[in-house]
Amino acid sequence: SYVLTQPPSVSVAPGQTARITCGGHNIGTKSVHWYRQKPGQAPVLVVYDDSDRPSGIPDRFSGSNSGNMATLIISRVEAGDEADYYCQVWHSSGVFGSGTGVTVL
Amino acid sequence: QVQLQESGPGLVKPSETLSLTCSVSGDSIRSYYWSWIRQPPGKGLEWIGYIYDGGKTNYNPSLESRVTISLDMSKNQFSLNLRSVTAADTAVFYCARQGGNYADTVFDSWGQGTLVTVSS
Repeated sequence: SYVLTQPPSVSVAPGQTARITCGGHNIGTKSVHWYRQKPGQAPVLVVYDDSDRPSGIPDRFSGSNSGNMATLIISRVEAGDEADYYCQVWHSSGVFGSGTGVTVL
Repeated sequence: QVQLQESGPGLVKPSETLSLTCSVSGDSIRSYYWSWIRQPPGKGLEWIGYIYDGGKTNYNPSLESRVTISLDMSKNQFSLNLRSVTAADTAVFYCARQGGNYADTVFDSWGQGTLVTVSS
């Protein structure tokens, strides 16, 4: 089965840039999607196809994907960005990363 | 705008079958893919499977032997049956639309989720 590896946590100061990684074998050949999940809520799509944003998601959210690593980038971090973030790909079935908790200091 | 709502028992006994229904409004289930995803308390997301094109299915290999997803087009609903449950199946279960406004591997709309506890 295909495994996606994320760091358990990332801490960032307000106004700084958060980078959340998602590692997988040759992940650069796949489309990576990212979801934000706040406590008690359903996940929300924030980036799809590596770097595209759904409507309503600010341009502070971006992404990259190459080789064995995809990255979600959150610029000018705000307190409201504090949440768990999950990467996801399709590998004959849906596969999610283990999730990264983002803490805004 | 599509809306999804899960419903079903919040408590299921071990060895029995967990049954949930997702009611869809604002879109027809005749289009796109319709998935179930679960999340054990304090843990990550796990894709269970989807149904599409009037009844074709694709399941997570780790759950395939115990899962059935079905459609009720007359009610615009789709359902999940998970057989022979154990405490390890305790989770929040989400229904989601896949391949809506974006790529067909993207879960672009989610229900609010429903907690199902497996316990005697």
